[in-house]
Amino acid sequence: GENVEQHPSTLSVQEGDSAVIKCTYSDSASNYFPWYKQELGKGPQLIIDIRSNVGEKKDQRIAVTLNKTAKHFSLHITETQPEDSAVYFCAASKTSNTDKLIFGTGTRLQVFP
Amino acid sequence: NAGVTQTPKFQVLKTGQSMTLQCAQDMNHEYMSWYRQDPGMGLRLIHYSVGAGITDQGEVPNGYNVSRSTTEDFPLRLLSAAPSQTSVYFCASISPWGDGYTFGSGTRLTVV
Repeated sequence: GENVEQHPSTLSVQEGDSAVIKCTYSDSASNYFPWYKQELGKGPQLIIDIRSNVGEKKDQRIAVTLNKTAKHFSLHITETQPEDSAVYFCAASKTSNTDKLIFGTGTRLQVFP
Repeated sequence: NAGVTQTPKFQVLKTGQSMTLQCAQDMNHEYMSWYRQDPGMGLRLIHYSVGAGITDQGEVPNGYNVSRSTTEDFPLRLLSAAPSQTSVYFCASISPWGDGYTFGSGTRLTVV
């Protein structure tokens, strides 16, 4: 089955700097790669996703890149703000709506003012 | 507001007790799932359902039962709680239009 590895487990940055979180996956049949943000005491929320027919996707200060050959994908946050502090999870599955989603182990991002 | 509702938010059980974690969604989604979240281990899939009357096992199903009698509800049952089941449990409902998972706010369970 699918296995998703995520690094780093913790990341501290200064406000305004960029943050990068990387994930690798094992199942070459995976085609859907979402990223979730979890704030303290809440459930994870989808922030961005990418499908295998796209190499990069941006939404304001966040972007995700995908390298299907190497089976890795990354989350990039630019101009970080204190409200970006949270735990971020990557995940992978074959489809976006009918298949099991397998999560990475999470990255705790702290943005210091 | 549309979404996923989980109850209770907190629960303490004694070893051997049973309980049901409730999950309800009002988005008419067919696909629902249960995850547990433990420190350093991310979210692990316990059970999932692709529609009323259909359930299947995820990565860590042992010690848990589920049923899906309606589209809206997907309860998770612990028949005989063990300390290893101390965790935060999340229910999720999945959009058929590719909008991703909607998670509930979680149930923090402690088994003593």
